[in-house]
Amino acid sequence: QSVLTQPPSVSGAPGQRVTISCTGSSSNIGAGYDVHWYQQLPGTAPKLLIYGNTNRPSGVPDRFSGSKSGTSASLAIAGLQAEDEADYFCQSYDSSLSGCVFGTGTKVTVL
Amino acid sequence: EVQLVESGGGLVQPGRSLRLSCAASGFTFDDYAMHWVRQAPGKGLEWVSVITWNSVSIDYADSVKGRFTISRDNAKNSLYLQMNSLRAEDTALYYCAKDPSGYDSNYFDYWGQGTLVTVSS
Repeated sequence: QSVLTQPPSVSGAPGQRVTISCTGSSSNIGAGYDVHWYQQLPGTAPKLLIYGNTNRPSGVPDRFSGSKSGTSASLAIAGLQAEDEADYFCQSYDSSLSGCVFGTGTKVTVL
Repeated sequence: EVQLVESGGGLVQPGRSLRLSCAASGFTFDDYAMHWVRQAPGKGLEWVSVITWNSVSIDYADSVKGRFTISRDNAKNSLYLQMNSLRAEDTALYYCAKDPSGYDSNYFDYWGQGTLVTVSS
């Protein structure tokens, strides 16, 4: 049912850099709608991580960064830490569905 | 500190109704739009509904349109979701989420911990 596609999982060693892709279409990301990212730690509610494609809310470490190009967006985590193990979801707006849409979610594992 | 506390979930039979509530604190509730987002067990996130600060504009996901009704009581700092004609596929953890503006900014800056709705006979 998810409109935005993400890889099911990514992994990296502590200190490494990982990226998560989010692929949409011409009715959402490609139409110019902003992409936002959420982190969901095990057993907890999602937390806003990146908003407006590239912006970090107060308190989010600058190890997290977002970018957007064409019909896709990416979340990068630099200097991976054990506490970054979580599920990550991208989110945008879809004009065809007239509502917010989420990505399929990516589980980040720290090796 | 922004706090959103959902309640009202539980086990309900298919076809029956349930009303969820979300108590908000730590911010000026009537300045912001509010959303409901759900997550089926072990699954991804699905946006359900949005209501603007003044209840003038309301929208729903197609999957719940005609069955769910969102509302708010700004005097009580509360958000509601009336769910009718419930189906097994409505089984999920329902989150109340705050919008960063009074109108629909199409994202969520704070989330509650969720209330579980299970639809089963």
